[in-house]
Amino acid sequence: GESVGLHLPTLSVQEGDNSIINCAYSNSASDYFIWYKQESGKGPQFIIDIRSNMDKRQGQRVTVLLNKTVKHLSLQIAATQPGDSAVYFCAEKSLQYYGGATNKLIFGTGTLLAVQP
Amino acid sequence: KAGVTQTPRYLIKTRGQQVTLSCSPISGHRSVSWYQQTPGQGLQFLFEYFSETQRNKGNFPGRFSGRQFSNSRSEMNVSTLELGDSALYLCASSLSEVPGETQYFGPGTRLLVL
Repeated sequence: GESVGLHLPTLSVQEGDNSIINCAYSNSASDYFIWYKQESGKGPQFIIDIRSNMDKRQGQRVTVLLNKTVKHLSLQIAATQPGDSAVYFCAEKSLQYYGGATNKLIFGTGTLLAVQP
Repeated sequence: KAGVTQTPRYLIKTRGQQVTLSCSPISGHRSVSWYQQTPGQGLQFLFEYFSETQRNKGNFPGRFSGRQFSNSRSEMNVSTLELGDSALYLCASSLSEVPGETQYFGPGTRLLVL
């Protein structure tokens, strides 16, 4: 079935270090990928996205890398700060629904990022 | 601009009851999606509405239903509640179904079924 999975459920890093969160997806037809951050008691917050025609996209302190050959997605956070502590989800968006567009997101299981001061 | 709002934020029900959750999307957004989040299953897609029409539906039983109004506000209903329906129910909105448009999530409604 459809699935987007994460390799590491928990990642602990020191403040100031770079963090890398990985994600594997299974649907090779997916053409849009998003990273969300979810803090305790809140809904997921959009971080960055990437289309399948790109292999890298940069934002403020974050970079997303897409490797379609091995169906792998990663989120890099530079100079990780305590405020980055949260659960991070990758999500996949599929356009395959009776030939029409859809907003359905398939989420990975999530990685807890714990930043140590 | 106000974000996605969901009401109520917390809800306690007993088995067999029904519940209605509400979502107000960001002003101007016409697409609303609902997700269920549990520790065991993670975030799972429930359904999606665009311009009052259900465009997609996840693998949930018929006890889960929803609708969207002309002002884009959406409601979801769960009938004959089961213990396993305890979850955080999240609503997300976007301008349309175009893939490049960001989906913004609300804070969720925490439902506890006793």
